[in-house]
Amino acid sequence: SAVISQKPSRDICQRGTSLTIQCQVDSQVTMMFWYRQQPGQSLTLIATANQGSEATYESGFVIDKFPISRPNLTFSTLTVSNMSPEDSSIYLCSVEVGNTIYFGEGSWLTVV
Amino acid sequence: GDSVTQMEGPVTLSEEAFLTINCTYTATGYPSLFWYVQYPGEGLQLLLKATKADDKGSNKGFEATYRKETTSFHLEKGSVQVSDSAVYFCALRAADEGANNLFFGTGTRLTVIP
Repeated sequence: SAVISQKPSRDICQRGTSLTIQCQVDSQVTMMFWYRQQPGQSLTLIATANQGSEATYESGFVIDKFPISRPNLTFSTLTVSNMSPEDSSIYLCSVEVGNTIYFGEGSWLTVV
Repeated sequence: GDSVTQMEGPVTLSEEAFLTINCTYTATGYPSLFWYVQYPGEGLQLLLKATKADDKGSNKGFEATYRKETTSFHLEKGSVQVSDSAVYFCALRAADEGANNLFFGTGTRLTVIP
């Protein structure tokens, strides 16, 4: 299994600002994933982050809006840039360990 | 492309009732199938999984069987409790080597009343 810690767990952000979410895993993993869950909806993959290379973004998500860092095998950050109320969501970090994908508890962002 | 269709909720049951949440999928080959649960105010937790046809995943009294012939992975529990109130997500990971991300269903909210 994997223990995934995310910070912040919750935040209220001002429109136009940026916020960086941190994800720490208790073991080394090759790939880390960032998902978004908008209110009342399912999860959507934002991007896949490999250590040592640029993240791969899914359709509808761009690096300028959601820059990602992956400096080592246990850590990643996702920045939500120039936030608007539409960015109010839960942002979840996930990893694969032993053929199973595990999730952090999520970072619940509200943009006002 | 790969996708998951999940029974829409919300579902409201009395304690000790039988639960079924339907999930069907579209994918090539033999994907891996998962059920995740999200309790109020919490993140996503893996509930159970099955990685090949006819496998049965089980956990906390919940079960789901991977049915290739009907492309289904329905979640069942014989006797629900109030503590089972949560949102349940069916998910799929493609069979392709190197496919690591998940495709999720829309989620089914379950409320169990005493």
